[in-house]
Amino acid sequence: DARVTQTPRHKVTEMGQEVTMRCQPILGHNTVFWYRQTMMQGLELLAYFRNRAPLDDSGMPKDRFSAEMPDATLATLKIQPSEPRDSAVYFCASGQPGNTIYFGEGSWLTVV
Amino acid sequence: GQNIDQPTEMTATEGAIVQINCTYQTSGFNGLFWYQQHAGEAPTFLSYNVLDGLEEKGRFSSFLSRSKGYSYLLLKELQMKDSASYLCAVSSSNDYKLSFGAGTTVTVRA
Repeated sequence: DARVTQTPRHKVTEMGQEVTMRCQPILGHNTVFWYRQTMMQGLELLAYFRNRAPLDDSGMPKDRFSAEMPDATLATLKIQPSEPRDSAVYFCASGQPGNTIYFGEGSWLTVV
Repeated sequence: GQNIDQPTEMTATEGAIVQINCTYQTSGFNGLFWYQQHAGEAPTFLSYNVLDGLEEKGRFSSFLSRSKGYSYLLLKELQMKDSASYLCAVSSSNDYKLSFGAGTTVTVRA
């Protein structure tokens, strides 16, 4: 079964540390989304890419967050420096325009 | 931007039917998705409507009216395992941006 793969699944880090989350989209999918989910905010779109080019990252705090696609098989989301308010589940999802979008299992981040 | 509204919570009895409504306002429309999310898990795909009308898939059906900016998800013959959050999501603009509503938590009681 093709699936979106995310690492790490769980991460506990201290405030101020750098956090990098990685995502391998389903082979052949040219659109990749990064979402953040908390109890209070639901699923927020942070950024998304098509054919590795960023289309919209307006939902992402620019001062500490960055998202990239170094190649078609890897998307990264980086937080530097991390803060306790960044504690959340970060989901990656991939798909093709006009077709189903599939989610990875998420990266559960706790910043203490 | 887009505005997606759905009820926060619904409760129903096992074996019953529940209808979850979703209204949206968006600039450009490329389709509407419904996802199911169990606590502690990732969202999983349920349905995708692009054209007006009803799409049926087993116990779940989804309806779309583009002119009214309205969709519903119908869950029939409810089972305990259907207790979950149901997320309405709209694909909008020329770039197929996918935005989610806050989700509806459905609790199925015996």
